[in-house]
Amino acid sequence: DIQMTQSPSSLSASVGDRITITCRASQTIVNYLSWYQQRPGKAPNLLIYMASSLQSGVPSRFSGSGSGTVFTLTINNLQPEDSATYYCQQGNTIPLTFGGGTTVEIK
Amino acid sequence: DVQLVESGGGLVQPGGSLRLSCTASGFPFSSYWMHWVRQAPGKGLLWVSRIKGDESIINHADSVRGRFTISRDNAKSTLYLQMNSLGAEDTAVYYCARGLFDYSGSTIGWWGRGTPVTVSS
Repeated sequence: DIQMTQSPSSLSASVGDRITITCRASQTIVNYLSWYQQRPGKAPNLLIYMASSLQSGVPSRFSGSGSGTVFTLTINNLQPEDSATYYCQQGNTIPLTFGGGTTVEIK
Repeated sequence: DVQLVESGGGLVQPGGSLRLSCTASGFPFSSYWMHWVRQAPGKGLLWVSRIKGDESIINHADSVRGRFTISRDNAKSTLYLQMNSLGAEDTAVYYCARGLFDYSGSTIGWWGRGTPVTVSS
């Protein structure tokens, strides 16, 4: 199975900040990488697919990049509603696997 | 709008069985890959199973293979997860999810609200 490792596991930032979350795959996944946001008590919500494509309806302050084994999710101009846990997920190989999550707290 | 509504969760004893259902609406159900993903209390997301729209491809995670079976009834726009030989490690919220595009077998575009399953005596 492909292991997905996210860092950091948590972070605290202020409104208006720019933050970056990194996801590393244990082997190449080309660009089959998605990012999801999960607010407490809610279902996950797709933000980015194919490493850098923004899902319809997602604010443009979210962006993704990377290929191969290293990927990043960047949130510009952090907003209070961005307080959530973020997960990466590889879709190159079955079983689909998720990173352990990064919890973002707004100061 | 895409809607996915899970049902069938609840409390079950160890070794017992449960069948989850997911009723879909707002899209041509038979054209899309469907998935089950679970989340244990306070933990991350774990992919469980997927099934192609025409049922020609089915995959399960190793941790559930031989115990869980994913299926679908395209005439009823309903996805199922038959869960047998349940153990405490299966306690989780189970999400029904749909592929992003009709060809998307590995990108999950929509999620239901989830149904909780608790395995305990």
